[in-house]
Amino acid sequence: EAGVAQSPRYKIIEKRQSVAFWCNPISGHATLYWYQQILGQGPKLLIQFQNNGVVDDSQLPKDRFSAERLKGVDSTLKIQPAKLEDSAVYLCASSPWPRRDTQYFGPGTRLTVL
Amino acid sequence: AQTVTQSQPEMSVQEAETVTLSCTYDTSESDYYLFWYKQPPSRQMILVIRQEAYKQQNATENRFSVNFQKAAKSFSLKISDSQLGDAAMYFCAYRSGITGANNLFFGTGTRLTVIP
Repeated sequence: EAGVAQSPRYKIIEKRQSVAFWCNPISGHATLYWYQQILGQGPKLLIQFQNNGVVDDSQLPKDRFSAERLKGVDSTLKIQPAKLEDSAVYLCASSPWPRRDTQYFGPGTRLTVL
Repeated sequence: AQTVTQSQPEMSVQEAETVTLSCTYDTSESDYYLFWYKQPPSRQMILVIRQEAYKQQNATENRFSVNFQKAAKSFSLKISDSQLGDAAMYFCAYRSGITGANNLFFGTGTRLTVIP
């Protein structure tokens, strides 16, 4: 079974530029999560999708971050415009339904904002 | 809000020895799950072990076991017969048992070094 795929693995941009990350969850997994992991900290949830609907986006900075999950499969996370404090690893995870408790993580995208 | 605390930023262990990583959490819920995840330099979070709060028996997975003390809100991870491949960041995480509340709350992690 293929794992959670993410791209790109690394991205370097200048502040005020825009960037997008892509995630392909494990086949059949209905729930998809985006986490932000700042250096030296544990991951923090940004947004959770159930199929193509948003379940929780309370921690998503909506003035600059957006995410979508069209057709309930792949998802993209966008930052526009980026700030220096957005430098972090962005992790995507998925979990099956109804076994919601086990989350499987992708390799992450390391974003550096200069 | 739930909080997870890992008070050991770094730990080291001799190869083949045993090490225990500490984790405490704060919650008012009675139904929840606890996890230990391993994050090697490749950055991918790998599930090590999970514990359901309603189970009194401590979970075990081969060389990994937990000491779950519900009243003390403590959830430590014991790694026996440590191997070089165990070197990584270890994160303790909490998930509510409430339907729909699926997101994980993570601690700040413990970096484990295994000395040959």
